[in-house]
Amino acid sequence: EDKVVQSPLSLVVHEGDTVTLNCSYEVTNFRSLLWYKQEKKAPTFLFMLTSSGIEKKSGRLSSILDKKELFSILNITATQTGDSAVYLCAVEAAGNTPLVFGKGTRLSVIA
Amino acid sequence: NAGVMQNPRHLVRRRGQEARLRCSPMKGHSHVYWYRQLPEEGLKFMVYLQKENIIDESGMPKERFSAEFPKEGPSILRIQQVVRGDSAAYFCASSPRLAGQGDGYTFGSGTRLTVV
Repeated sequence: EDKVVQSPLSLVVHEGDTVTLNCSYEVTNFRSLLWYKQEKKAPTFLFMLTSSGIEKKSGRLSSILDKKELFSILNITATQTGDSAVYLCAVEAAGNTPLVFGKGTRLSVIA
Repeated sequence: NAGVMQNPRHLVRRRGQEARLRCSPMKGHSHVYWYRQLPEEGLKFMVYLQKENIIDESGMPKERFSAEFPKEGPSILRIQQVVRGDSAAYFCASSPRLAGQGDGYTFGSGTRLTVV
């Protein structure tokens, strides 16, 4: 059974800190790994990663995938209170299969 | 483009009643996925549908739950004889492509079902 494990489950940091969120996975016929940000409602797409070692970057957020060790990290630098959310990691397998999600990491950024 | 529309946003049902959750995918999307989220849990896959077809319902309980995506109209997730354990947020997502070939899904804002 495909599995996604995120750590830590929750994290509290001060504004300006840098955080690293982890996602490890086991999936048959891996195609891609995705990160989402979920505030009060709908998860919103952040990144899709398919190749090892290639960093994806969007402002203060960046992510990288290691297909050999089966994990990904999501980095957020200079955190702001608006970064407070649950960050979800999901994996996508080849073929006609839906995304499998981890439990998420709840990030709280305090002023 | 209105995005993925789910309604109602909040639904309260007494034990034993039926709950109907609706999802209208983004324009041009013909693939719909339903997920359930319990407090402090991730999104758990329930069912994947294309127009008039159920592609994968492996995550859906065999009893009381059903889903459809008719040729016309929204996708419906139906829960009969609801119990307290059905209380959760139900999210719908849509995609223009087959699962496994896209850059992720677009999610709706969810329906929060509370069973009292």
